Amino acid sequence: GENVEQHPSTLSVQEGDSAVIKCTYSDSASNYFPWYKQELGKRPQLIIDIRSNVGEKKDQRIAVTLNKTAKHFSLHITETQPEDSAVYFCAASDNAGKSTFGDGTTLTVKP
Amino acid sequence: DADVTQTPRNRITKTGKRIMLECSQTKGHDRMYWYRQDPGLGLQLIYYSFDVKDINKGEISDGYSVSRQAQAKFSLSLESAIPNQTALYFCATSDSPPDRGIYGYTFGSGTRLTVV
Repeated sequence: GENVEQHPSTLSVQEGDSAVIKCTYSDSASNYFPWYKQELGKRPQLIIDIRSNVGEKKDQRIAVTLNKTAKHFSLHITETQPEDSAVYFCAASDNAGKSTFGDGTTLTVKP
Repeated sequence: DADVTQTPRNRITKTGKRIMLECSQTKGHDRMYWYRQDPGLGLQLIYYSFDVKDINKGEISDGYSVSRQAQAKFSLSLESAIPNQTALYFCATSDSPPDRGIYGYTFGSGTRLTVV
């Protein structure tokens, strides 16, 4: 089955700096890669996604890149703000829509 | 607002008891999933269903069962609860449009289950 590895497990940045979270996947059949943000005590929420026929996608301060050959994808957050502090999960989905998640990255943005 | 609702929000139960967690959704999605979240770990798939007659095991289905009573309802049961099933349980749904594309999940608020 699919295996998703996510790094780093914790990340601390100063407000205004950029943050990068990286994930690798094992199954070349995976073709949809969503990212979720989970604030403390709340449900995960989809923040951005990318499909296998696209190399990069951007939505305001967040962007995701995908390298299918190397089987890795990354989340980039620019101009970080304290409200970006949360746990971020990457996932890889198969054709059936079933997602395998990484273990999560706890991002702390210091004011 | 269309949403995914889980009940109960919190539950403490004793070892050996049977317990059911319920999930209902008003999003009109066909695909529903149950995941388990443990501290410091990602979400692990327990069971998933793509329509009322389609039930599939996930990576950690042992000790769990499910029932898809209707398009909008998907229940998870622990037949005989044990302490290592203490976790946060999430139900999720996703769309299945005519183009058969893959879309992200909408999660419920979660059920925090403690088995003592």
